[in-house]
Amino acid sequence: GAVVSQHPSRVICKSGTSVKIECRSLDFQATTMFWYRQFPKQSLMLMATSNEGSKATYEQGVEKDKFLINHASLTLSTLTVTSAHPEDSSFYICSASGDLAGGLSGTQYFGPGTRLTVL
Amino acid sequence: AQSVTQLGSHVSVSEGALVLLRCNYSSSVPPYLFWYVQYPNQGLQLLLKYTTGATLVKGINGFEAEFKKSETSFHLTKPSAHMSDAAEYFCAVSDVWGAQKLVFGQGTRLTINP
Repeated sequence: GAVVSQHPSRVICKSGTSVKIECRSLDFQATTMFWYRQFPKQSLMLMATSNEGSKATYEQGVEKDKFLINHASLTLSTLTVTSAHPEDSSFYICSASGDLAGGLSGTQYFGPGTRLTVL
Repeated sequence: AQSVTQLGSHVSVSEGALVLLRCNYSSSVPPYLFWYVQYPNQGLQLLLKYTTGATLVKGINGFEAEFKKSETSFHLTKPSAHMSDAAEYFCAVSDVWGAQKLVFGQGTRLTINP
């Protein structure tokens, strides 16, 4: 149980284009999803927190107009990197947490990550 | 504000030896503590977590961790290392239970020598 998938696993794009990354909770309803960014050999940095049906809450220093987050359903959240540039190249990881009222734990379950390379 | 410090960015042990990965935290309220493992080019997998109750927590793959409030520590141990344990390990803290954001340590890369 508590499986989270991400698609695509790898993406290479040209500078100036937009890229969409999907995060899905496969076997539970994710009331909250988180998006992280990880640079090589570094820890995870939280970018934003999204609750289903609400606008995402962005961490300080994260450009909301550049990193568009949508959490339209209880099983899907998307991160769109708009007008991507080489400095946006990174490993993006999502996590999902279930509904406590529904008996699920508050633990975050992580997706396998998406490697974005912007040329 | 919460913070996590993992002592040692790189730990190397021999196969069969004790694994000890250190984690100290700072929190103004009773913390919720987690250990995650990350294999190359993959996401994070939960090893174990401490919420309340018993301070010695057992996780998957033979790992365990002990919450010591007086030392503000949550060190991860495994009695006998296996080659498959080679990975990056992250300690994390949260101050509120239930889908609240995690603060991660910088990670410790564990290498197992044959």
